[in-house]
Amino acid sequence: EAGVAQSPRYKIIEKRQSVAFWCNPISGHATLYWYQQILGQGPKLLIQFQNNGVVDDSQLPKDRFSAERLKGVDSTLKIQPAKLEDSAVYLCASTRGRTNTGELFFGEGSRLTVL
Amino acid sequence: KQEVTQIPAALSVPEGENLVLNCSFTDSAIYNLQWFRQDPGKGLTSLLLIQSSQREQTSGRLNASLDKSSGRSTLYIAASQPGDSATYLCAVSPYNQGGKLIFGQGTELSVKP
Repeated sequence: EAGVAQSPRYKIIEKRQSVAFWCNPISGHATLYWYQQILGQGPKLLIQFQNNGVVDDSQLPKDRFSAERLKGVDSTLKIQPAKLEDSAVYLCASTRGRTNTGELFFGEGSRLTVL
Repeated sequence: KQEVTQIPAALSVPEGENLVLNCSFTDSAIYNLQWFRQDPGKGLTSLLLIQSSQREQTSGRLNASLDKSSGRSTLYIAASQPGDSATYLCAVSPYNQGGKLIFGQGTELSVKP
């Protein structure tokens, strides 16, 4: 079974530029999460999708971050315009069901450096 | 608000030692607790998942315990090896929050040959 796929693995941009990250969850996984992990910290949830609907985006900085999961499979996370403090690893994770009892599977992450 | 704390932040041990990593959380209303391993520049790999009704889980040289009432979990690693060097993260899944995980800041483990 293929794991969670993310791209690009690395991205370097100037502040005020835009960037997009892509995630393909494990086949059949209904729930998809985007986490932000700043160096030296644990991951923090940005947004959670259940199929193509948003369940929780309370910690997503909506003035600059957006995310979509149009067909309930792949997802894209966009940052526009980027700030220095957005430098982090963006992790995508998925789980099979709607409940909280399942194991989360993470991708390798997309490392963003904002100069 | 659920908060997860891991102590120590970093740990260095000689090869062969048994060791314990600690995780504490402030709200016992959780579905489960997971321990993850993260290698430098990599994503998270799930090590053990303990449901709220369970007290412990074991996988190979790893044993994780959960005491929900006191808000504590420990990850025990037996006979540590250099290949165990990584950052270990614990995370809880709070009730009624859609399955999201709240993470601690991690313990960076170094096992010296």
